[in-house]
Amino acid sequence: DGGITQSPKYLFRKEGQNVTLSCEQNLNHDAMYWYRQDPGQGLRLIYYSQIVNDFQKGDIAEGYSVSREKKESFPLTVTSAQKNPTAFYLCASSSGTGPYSGNTIYFGEGSWLTVV
Amino acid sequence: DAKTTQPNSMESNEEEPVHLPCNHSTISGTDYIHWYRQLPSQGPEYVIHGLTSNVNNRMASLAIAEDRKSSTLILHRATLRDAAVYYCMAYNQGGKLIFGQGTELSVKP
Repeated sequence: DGGITQSPKYLFRKEGQNVTLSCEQNLNHDAMYWYRQDPGQGLRLIYYSQIVNDFQKGDIAEGYSVSREKKESFPLTVTSAQKNPTAFYLCASSSGTGPYSGNTIYFGEGSWLTVV
Repeated sequence: DAKTTQPNSMESNEEEPVHLPCNHSTISGTDYIHWYRQLPSQGPEYVIHGLTSNVNNRMASLAIAEDRKSSTLILHRATLRDAAVYYCMAYNQGGKLIFGQGTELSVKP
């Protein structure tokens, strides 16, 4: 089935460790996004990528890093510099962006990250 | 960025229509208006989107004001399964997809 797959669903991190969340899509979408969601809050944009080998910071990029080496993959690394990483992380994709884009956004099921 | 403003919460009775408002007064002329909804611990799902004209699909209707500074998502007959957080958003020309805080809809039987 076509869609977006995030893994793992649940992840525990010790303080000082880097962890990487996986996001894979088989929708042939150009644009991919990472969002963070804290309990009871809305979605905040971390990073986004409109095309392979290119990405831009969102509103809360500090302490995170990404790569976009393949069209279908957009992994997110939560570094030790992120002081409060416990949250729900959502990956999304869409077939295009830009001024005339009306394309639907598809989301993965999310990954829960907890610092222990 | 095209920011959106929504009420924090709304209530509805089952089988009654629901009108969820969204203000996007800074929207650009080429930004589409999208609505998504999210259940707890799940990724948001697409509901509907439009540019200038009112839109209908099997899930809902979208009414867009003539000046495009506001829109309303209409659920014609609310069911218990419609209880969720509803997000309104407008595409930014730079490609940033910015979500607001959303409206938490509760549906009473």
